[in-house]
Amino acid sequence: EPEVTQTPSHQVTQMGQEVILRCVPISNHLYFYWYRQILGQKVEFLVSFYNNEISEKSEIFDDQFSVERPDGSNFTLKIRSTKLEDSAMYFCASSVRLVQETQYFGPGTRLLVL
Amino acid sequence: SQELEQSPQSLIAQEGKNLTINCTSSKTLYGLYWYKQKYGEGLIFLMMLQKGGEEKSHEKITAKLDEKKQQSSLHITASQPSHAGIYLCGADNQAGTALIFGKGTTLSVSS
Repeated sequence: EPEVTQTPSHQVTQMGQEVILRCVPISNHLYFYWYRQILGQKVEFLVSFYNNEISEKSEIFDDQFSVERPDGSNFTLKIRSTKLEDSAMYFCASSVRLVQETQYFGPGTRLLVL
Repeated sequence: SQELEQSPQSLIAQEGKNLTINCTSSKTLYGLYWYKQKYGEGLIFLMMLQKGGEEKSHEKITAKLDEKKQQSSLHITASQPSHAGIYLCGADNQAGTALIFGKGTTLSVSS
């Protein structure tokens, strides 16, 4: 069964460093998403992406964040200058269509900023 | 903005017992999704409900969206240790382009 994959599974970084989280969405899906979950809190939407453009972003997704689809399979989330409060589990998701469509989630990348 | 309230926050069920988890929305639900998460892991899709009164089942798990489309329930029949985890309800935002999640219900099943 096709699934969303994410690398790395864990990342430890120093405050102020750049990190890139990688995702491989399900191959026939066209819409891609990033969510995050701070320990003990809700899963929160960050950004959606379609056709090489951001479709929607939340207030959390500020100038420190960027997304890219560098090739036909990968979808990345970059955090330019990490802060302590960026420590969280980051989930990638993908869906076939956009509106009212099931999103399938990856296993997540646990980011720890020291 | 829309809020999803899940109850109970946590639940310990004896193996073999039935249980219900509820998800109440502050606004009308247009798409309601149930996911299961094991601690520190990804979200596994369980079911999606769209129509008022809709009910779906998968193995021993049944989810229902009420007629007014502001509440959903997840019912597990004859709970097993494999059912243990965190159950999250998610709803489409107003535009249908992102998911809003509840805080989750942590289920433990004791044998």
